[in-house]
Amino acid sequence: GAVVSQHPSWVICKSGTSVKIECRSLDFQATTMFWYRQFPKQSLMLMATSNEGSKATYEQGVEKDKFLINHASLTLSTLTVTSAHPEDSSFYICSSGRDGYTFGSGTRLTVV
Amino acid sequence: GQQLNQSPQSMFIQEGEDVSMNCTSSSIFNTWLWYKQDPGEGPVLLIALYKAGELTSNGRLTAQFGITRKDSFLNISASIPSDVGIYFCAGRRETSGSRLTFGEGTQLTVNP
Repeated sequence: GAVVSQHPSWVICKSGTSVKIECRSLDFQATTMFWYRQFPKQSLMLMATSNEGSKATYEQGVEKDKFLINHASLTLSTLTVTSAHPEDSSFYICSSGRDGYTFGSGTRLTVV
Repeated sequence: GQQLNQSPQSMFIQEGEDVSMNCTSSSIFNTWLWYKQDPGEGPVLLIALYKAGELTSNGRLTAQFGITRKDSFLNISASIPSDVGIYFCAGRRETSGSRLTFGEGTQLTVNP
């Protein structure tokens, strides 16, 4: 199956700063990758679909200017949380693979 | 997006017991997936189901794709302590590309 690497595994940042999270598809050339967010004791909610070489598709209610997604190559998608606030603290997880069913190990973001 | 109705929310069982959990929806899905998530990690795919009525096993795990295409169940036989974790169902609708909708999760605790 596909191997998906996510970095960093955790990050703490100050309010107002930006944080970049990387998702790499190590053994599969992914034209599409997915970004999810998971709050404590809750399920995964899809944020956006990352499309290689074109704009990401955001789910309803997700601010595209706040959560910038770049998918410049077939093996790398990045999610940048801009002007982070404490309410953005969450577990961010990407998925990739032929069907998008393989998940990375997640990034715990804490905004203080 | 719309979540799947997953039950039970939590289960406390003794080692060696069998476990069953299920997901239902008012919508039709053409793919059902079952994941296990350990604390601080991304979900790991256990079983994927692609056809109505399909029954698939993975070791002690068995999952079925409901005939109506609106439900799925997961059984774990002879549970062991390492089965502890959160189990999520996820489904893909025909009209949603590779985007997944997740259930609320079932927290499984296995007492040795």
